[in-house]
Amino acid sequence: DVKVTQSSRYLVKRTGEKVFLECVQDMDHENMFWYRQDPGLGLRLIYFSYDVKMKEKGDIPEGYSVSREKKERFSLILESASTNQTSMYLCASSLPNNQPQHFGDGTRLSIL
Amino acid sequence: DQQVKQNSPSLSVQEGRISILNCDYTNSMFDYFLWYKKYPAEGPTFLISISSIKDKNEDGRFTVFLNKSAKHLSLHIVPSQPGDSAVYFCAASEDQSGTYKYIFGTGTRLKVLA
Repeated sequence: DVKVTQSSRYLVKRTGEKVFLECVQDMDHENMFWYRQDPGLGLRLIYFSYDVKMKEKGDIPEGYSVSREKKERFSLILESASTNQTSMYLCASSLPNNQPQHFGDGTRLSIL
Repeated sequence: DQQVKQNSPSLSVQEGRISILNCDYTNSMFDYFLWYKKYPAEGPTFLISISSIKDKNEDGRFTVFLNKSAKHLSLHIVPSQPGDSAVYFCAASEDQSGTYKYIFGTGTRLKVLA
């Protein structure tokens, strides 16, 4: 079974802080993704990566960056957290060729 | 611009009856579609998918129907069970583009009444 692990279930940070969200998958998947989920908006793609050191912008990359130094780990960085980044953040991974994405359980991030 | 739309935010169905969840899309380049189920405090889990070369795919109690001319897909759950109560997201992608990006709908909350 695929396991996608997000480092924190709940996180509270202050406005202006640099925030790191970590995601690790154990199935040697090439593709990794970061989404945020907001009420009435569904899941929106922030960034994704096809391979180590590769990254592509999703639909809402502003205010975020990512890092993929190892195949199994994909980090989401909020450079200077703002209150509008309070959200549920979901990490996913998949094999190539449009195989279904497997999701972690999410990190609920509150920015005060 | 919402390319994938789930116009019903919620749906209630009696146990044992059929649940029908609907999804519309606007991008004719989408050629791969998926349904995910999400329980509170958990990540979405993959349920069923369909390629645009098919119009139906079945997996146990779950069937997905695709109407390309109407740009519409639906998920049928028969018979519905209380454990099916969750939020259901449809997603679409352009398989041929090679980007493997999904565009998700806003979700439909299904409540199956015992």
